[in-house]
Amino acid sequence: DGGITQSPKYLFRKEGQNVTLSCEQNLNHDAMYWYRQDPGQGLRLIYYSQIVNDFQKGDIAEGYSVSREKKESFPLTVTSAQKNPTAFYLCASSTSPGQGAGQPQHFGDGTRLSIL
Amino acid sequence: AQSVTQPDIHITVSEGASLELRCNYSYGATPYLFWYVQSPGQGLQLLLKYFSGDTLVQGIKGFEAEFKRSQSSFNLRKPSVHWSDAAEYFCAVGFTGTASKLTFGTGTRLQVTL
Repeated sequence: DGGITQSPKYLFRKEGQNVTLSCEQNLNHDAMYWYRQDPGQGLRLIYYSQIVNDFQKGDIAEGYSVSREKKESFPLTVTSAQKNPTAFYLCASSTSPGQGAGQPQHFGDGTRLSIL
Repeated sequence: AQSVTQPDIHITVSEGASLELRCNYSYGATPYLFWYVQSPGQGLQLLLKYFSGDTLVQGIKGFEAEFKRSQSSFNLRKPSVHWSDAAEYFCAVGFTGTASKLTFGTGTRLQVTL
């Protein structure tokens, strides 16, 4: 079955450490997204990519980095510069509408990141 | 900037009762509207979407939503709630010209009493 796989499901970070969250999709979608979810705040967009080798900052990109070397993969690195990384991280993908919109996003099951 | 408001943080209904979850958006252009559901510790599942045409859209699990342009609203409804509907519900909006980006509301947590 096609879908989005996020790993690991739980991740712990030490002070000063960078950690990388994996996101893989086999839906043949062009666009991929990373969201951060905190209680009572809904989903906030960190980074998104509409095509391989290209990505844009979302609303809360500081302290995070991404790469998009393959269509199927969009890993997120939470750097030591992110001072409050404890959250639930969701990856999503969609077909690319060009300059249109309205494509539903399909979500993975998330990674919960905590500070040790 | 576009925004989405879900005014109800938490709603409790009895099993078998009807449900309406509110969603309002702000922006001038024609929106693309979505409702998603999230169970604890899981990702989001698409319930339904509105792009154009009939303003009453049907979704999965017996849900429906009505787009009212005059009220900038897209409320989610279900005539008879089941205990398994207990979850968090998110409204999201996208607009032409913003590529594939969506703006999400802060969610409404639904509790179902037996």
